[in-house]
Amino acid sequence: DAGVTQSPTHLIKTRGQQVTLRCSPKSGHDTVSWYQQALGQGPQFIFQYYEEEERQRGNFPDRFSGHQFPNYSSELNVNALLLGDSALYLCASSRETGTGPSGANVLTFGAGSRLTVL
Amino acid sequence: ELKVEQNPLFLSMQEGKNYTIYCNYSTTSDRLYWYRQDPGKSLESLFVLLSNGAVKQEGRLMASLDTKARLSTLHITAAVHDLSATYFCAVPIYPTGNQFYFGTGTSLTVIP
Repeated sequence: DAGVTQSPTHLIKTRGQQVTLRCSPKSGHDTVSWYQQALGQGPQFIFQYYEEEERQRGNFPDRFSGHQFPNYSSELNVNALLLGDSALYLCASSRETGTGPSGANVLTFGAGSRLTVL
Repeated sequence: ELKVEQNPLFLSMQEGKNYTIYCNYSTTSDRLYWYRQDPGKSLESLFVLLSNGAVKQEGRLMASLDTKARLSTLHITAAVHDLSATYFCAVPIYPTGNQFYFGTGTSLTVIP
């Protein structure tokens, strides 16, 4: 059973360019979250998609946008890249279980896409 | 602003020794998650603590949660080299509860 797959694994861009990162969630999962992990830091929540809509967003500018497709896969787009956007971008999937006590909502993370902005 | 603080940030310990990693958080939450990250790898779920007083154990690791003190601990017993990794605690952000605020991580190195 495939877990979360992300592509590309590594990429190098220059300032001002745009990038698209892709994620396929674990089989059976319908919710996709994106996190940014800078070097030496914990992951920071960017946004989450469920039912093809952005459900919640972290403290990231509008340059960060995303999309979820009917097959639950997702894309993260970053426009006008800055040097500070260099990071590991992690996709995490989960199954929507609501907020009941039985819903553990454990995230399954992909291996990440490492973005370097020069 | 929600804060999730871990200490220590860096931990170097000898094999066979015991130690505890602490995770303090600033918001009300009835659950807390622990993840492990090996260098260059993604995050792997270790423990899900779903209520006050919850205790989970797996091998040489034991995690506990005190929601009143807003504190979780990850205790390492008789450390072995394979436990070398970075450990993160994470607190869910409500109302949906499946977005998480991660701590800064504790980098553990176990020395033979």
